[in-house]
Amino acid sequence: DGGITQSPKYLFRKEGQNVTLSCEQNLNHDAMYWYRQDPGQGLRLIYYSQIVNDFQKGDIAEGYSVSREKKESIPLTVTSAQKNPTAFYLCASSSGLAGDTDTQYFGPGTRLTVL
Amino acid sequence: AQSVTQPDIHITVSEGASLELRCNYSYGATPYLFWYVQSPGQGLQLLLKYFSGDTLVQGIKGFEAEFKRSQSSFNLRKPSVHWSDAAEYFCAVGTSYGKLTFGQGTILTVHP
Repeated sequence: DGGITQSPKYLFRKEGQNVTLSCEQNLNHDAMYWYRQDPGQGLRLIYYSQIVNDFQKGDIAEGYSVSREKKESIPLTVTSAQKNPTAFYLCASSSGLAGDTDTQYFGPGTRLTVL
Repeated sequence: AQSVTQPDIHITVSEGASLELRCNYSYGATPYLFWYVQSPGQGLQLLLKYFSGDTLVQGIKGFEAEFKRSQSSFNLRKPSVHWSDAAEYFCAVGTSYGKLTFGQGTILTVHP
């Protein structure tokens, strides 16, 4: 079955530690995205990548970093510079072929709690 | 800059009743509009999308949405709600390079 996987589902870290969230897709999509979700705020774009080895900052990139070494994955690192990292993180992908009408498909999410 | 407003944070309906979730957008160009649904602790599932053509769009699970350019709206409707429809619903507008701007979401509670 084609889809997007995120791991782990739950992640606990101590304050000041960096942590990396995994996202992989087998949909053969070129574009991948990371969002942060907080209650009552919808989804906010952290980073996006339209092609391997290229990525752009979204609306709330401070304190986060990504890499895109393979088409299938886009790991997200939450650094100690992120002031309030506790949130639900969602990864998405799209074909990257339809321009403005590209449709994004989402993974199941990772809930990060910083203690 | 683009924006999406979902005026209702929380809506409660009885099972079998009709449903309308409101969505208003602000975007200077032709809007590409989406509705997603999210069950607690899960990812988002695409319900339907509007790109062009017929302004009444049919989606999965019996949902439909109507695009009204004059009102900058894209409201989601269902004629008869089922208990399994209880979830959070997000409206989004697609902008350049396939990026999405989301509304704050509407939580739907269904009473038996």
